Amino acid sequence: QKEVEQNSGPLSVPEGAIASLNCTYSDRGSQSFFWYRQYSGKSPELIMFIYSNGDKEDGRFTAQLNKASQYVSLLIRDSQPSDSATYLCVGLEGSNYQLIWGAGTKLIIKP
Amino acid sequence: NAGVTQTPKFRILKIGQSMTLQCAQDMNHNYMYWYRQDPGMGLKLIYYSVGAGITDKGEVPNGYNVSRSTTEDFPLRLELAAPSQTSVYFCASTLDGRSILFFGSGTQLSVL
Repeated sequence: QKEVEQNSGPLSVPEGAIASLNCTYSDRGSQSFFWYRQYSGKSPELIMFIYSNGDKEDGRFTAQLNKASQYVSLLIRDSQPSDSATYLCVGLEGSNYQLIWGAGTKLIIKP
Repeated sequence: NAGVTQTPKFRILKIGQSMTLQCAQDMNHNYMYWYRQDPGMGLKLIYYSVGAGITDKGEVPNGYNVSRSTTEDFPLRLELAAPSQTSVYFCASTLDGRSILFFGSGTQLSVL
């Protein structure tokens, strides 16, 4: 069964520090990965997507993909209390565009 | 530009009642999805559609039905509501199945 696994947390990080969120996936056919942020009671919103091995940076966010290790991560620099949310890792399977959702990691940024 | 519009935002049903959750998008997206999210859990796919007239089951389709008569609308029908269907429901759309998912604001459904 195709799976995307995330630690459910909560992950507690001091304000201003780097938050590191990780996920692993089982399907080598997954080509692209998305990170969505979901505030409590709200719908998910896209933070970043990555489809190539290596790093992709966008402001305070860096996504990392290692296809050999089947590992995806999201780094948040200079963490702010407003970053407190659940972060969902999603894999896009290449042949039929199936989206495989992780259960999410709850991140808490402590002032 | 409205994006993905879901109605209603909240609903309480009695066991055995039926209802339709409405979803409409104005972005001319081909792919539309219905998800449910239980507390503290990830998203589970109920049904999806790759275009008008085409629908298919996801992971958890039992107790639900969908139709896609137009590109814009993708309603979700609950027949004979059960307490196990208490959840938050999200409709989403994407242009081609590979692009960014746009979500509606969600429907909080309670079945009592």
